Amino acid sequence: AQSVAQPEDQVNVAEGNPLTVKCTYSVSGNPYLFWYVQYPNRGLQFLLKYITGDNLVKGSYGFEAEFNKSQTSFHLKKPSALVSDSALYFCAVRGLTGGGNKLTFGTGTQLKVEL
Amino acid sequence: KAGVTQTPRYLIKTRGQQVTLSCSPISGHRSVSWYQQTPGQGLQFLFEYFSETQRNKGNFPGRFSGRQFSNSRSEMNVSTLELGDSALYLCASSPGTGEFYNEQFFGPGTRLTVL
Repeated sequence: AQSVAQPEDQVNVAEGNPLTVKCTYSVSGNPYLFWYVQYPNRGLQFLLKYITGDNLVKGSYGFEAEFNKSQTSFHLKKPSALVSDSALYFCAVRGLTGGGNKLTFGTGTQLKVEL
Repeated sequence: KAGVTQTPRYLIKTRGQQVTLSCSPISGHRSVSWYQQTPGQGLQFLFEYFSETQRNKGNFPGRFSGRQFSNSRSEMNVSTLELGDSALYLCASSPGTGEFYNEQFFGPGTRLTVL
């Protein structure tokens, strides 16, 4: 069975500072990893994905994520946070075989960026 | 291209009733997945349809069912509604199923309230 852990319910950061939202995963074989963001009363918006290749993945709105196979982590990062980045962030994993497009999500991390 | 659309956006029902939710995927996408989002359980996979066939099913009771039409539009049905079915139901579409390079695109969701 595959699983995702987001250990922090909330992350607070000052605007202009770097931000990190943590994610660890468990899956058989190589993982497909995703980050999505959700704004209030909205669906999920795709940010970035890791499939294979470079461990540093760049995505939308200046976000990037670092894949670390030995630590089974896929932390989301941004060099300089904006107030508009405040939202709910979800990490998700999809296994290689079987399961079609089924995503297993973490519990989400609320990011709050303050002036 | 237009994004994933879901109708209705908001729905209020009473216990024991049934409900049908609709999802229109992005043009050309043949896979539609459904997820339930609640504060207590987070995001949980319901089922996935591809080319009118159910590809995968989550751990939900038989009261939850779905189908997909030849134009890839999908509906999900919940019969004999319970208070615990109150949730945001999200639909996601993807060009295919299981390919490692494809992410899913989510609709805005249908907010179901069961009284």
